[in-house]
Amino acid sequence: EPEVTQTPSHQVTQMGQEVILRCVPISNHLYFYWYRQILGQKVEFLVSFYNNEISEKSEIFDDQFSVERPDGSNFTLKIRSTKLEDSAMYFCASRLAGGVGEQYFGPGTRLTVT
Amino acid sequence: SQQGEEDPQALSIQEGENATMNCSYKTSINNLQWYRQNSGRGLVHLILIRSNEREKHSGRLRVTLDTSKKSSSLLITASRAADTASYFCATDASNDYKLSFGAGTTVTVRA
Repeated sequence: EPEVTQTPSHQVTQMGQEVILRCVPISNHLYFYWYRQILGQKVEFLVSFYNNEISEKSEIFDDQFSVERPDGSNFTLKIRSTKLEDSAMYFCASRLAGGVGEQYFGPGTRLTVT
Repeated sequence: SQQGEEDPQALSIQEGENATMNCSYKTSINNLQWYRQNSGRGLVHLILIRSNEREKHSGRLRVTLDTSKKSSSLLITASRAADTASYFCATDASNDYKLSFGAGTTVTVRA
């Protein structure tokens, strides 16, 4: 069964460093999302991406964040200058265009900022 | 506004018993989805119920939706130890189907 994959599974970085989290969505899906979950808290929407552009972003998704689909398969989230409070689990999700809206989530990348 | 708040926050039951958890939300939705998360792991999609549906079944799962009360419930019948996880409802209310998650219900099934 097709699945969303994410790399790395765990990333440790120092405050102020740039990180890139990578996702490979399900191949025929057209909507892509990033969510994050701070330890012990609810999953929060960051950004949605469709047709090679951001369709919606949350207040969390400030100028330090960017997303890119550099080729036909990868979908990346970049944090330019990480802060301690960026430590969280980051989930990528994808869904088919049309359909009823099931989103399929990847296993997540645990980002630890020290 | 916050969507998808689950109740109770935590639930402990004996294997074989049923587990029921509720979700309330505040705005009109396209659909409501339930996800399971094992400790520190990813989100597994369980079931989706559309706004025009009232009840849906999938294996041992039963979901109801009451749009007049803006609430949903998830019932897990004949629970197993492997059902131990956190369960989240997520509402889809936007044109691009972004999900708004609740804080989740942590279910512990005792053997």
